[in-house]
Amino acid sequence: DAGITQSPRHKVTETGTPVTLRCHQTENHRYMYWYRQDPGHGLRLIHYSYGVKDTDKGEVSDGYSVSRSKTEDFLLTLESATSSQTSVYFCAIAKQASGNPDTQYFGPGTRLTVL
Amino acid sequence: DAKTTQPPSMDCAEGRAANLPCNHSTISGNEYVYWYRQIHSQGPQYIIHGLKNNETNEMASLIITEDRKSSTLILPHATLRDTAVYYCIVHSGNTGKLIFGQGTTLQVKP
Repeated sequence: DAGITQSPRHKVTETGTPVTLRCHQTENHRYMYWYRQDPGHGLRLIHYSYGVKDTDKGEVSDGYSVSRSKTEDFLLTLESATSSQTSVYFCAIAKQASGNPDTQYFGPGTRLTVL
Repeated sequence: DAKTTQPPSMDCAEGRAANLPCNHSTISGNEYVYWYRQIHSQGPQYIIHGLKNNETNEMASLIITEDRKSSTLILPHATLRDTAVYYCIVHSGNTGKLIFGQGTTLQVKP
């Protein structure tokens, strides 16, 4: 299994509070991704990173920000959590994205509940 | 990236081959077909991918039609642990972004 960990694995928070989820990899892969998964929607891309300090938006980026100051860590921040952000969040990594696309490997997920 | 169409659910008897179809009629020349699966609430797991030729690995086989407009994932001897949601994804690699559809829920029955 790819060396990907996510923390915390479960979190319950209240509306309006800031939340940061962490994705950590030991593979030294260049690309990292944050997805959310909700019933009826499958997985949807929030943000992704193609290198240290290089990030871009996905299809559902509103209300989320990311940072990548080191190759191994990709942080997802909810500045002011809302109930609509209750979801399961998955991180993924890949060696490369262009040309012959490389396989994305997923972490175990973080279950976030916003009350 | 091209869209894919999969049946919402399928059943398969344990020990038999599971054949999961996927239509991707708008696929373009540089787009690959990827298959992932998700067991219960775990993270998606990579299964196999291909461009034009049929592919086989220790988990499954991927058959891509000559016109590349459809493909079939084959699990040769399904077990109860293969019960999962299977996603067929067309991936160009230009952005690295995977677009997940609803997938096929495969139920392997004893």
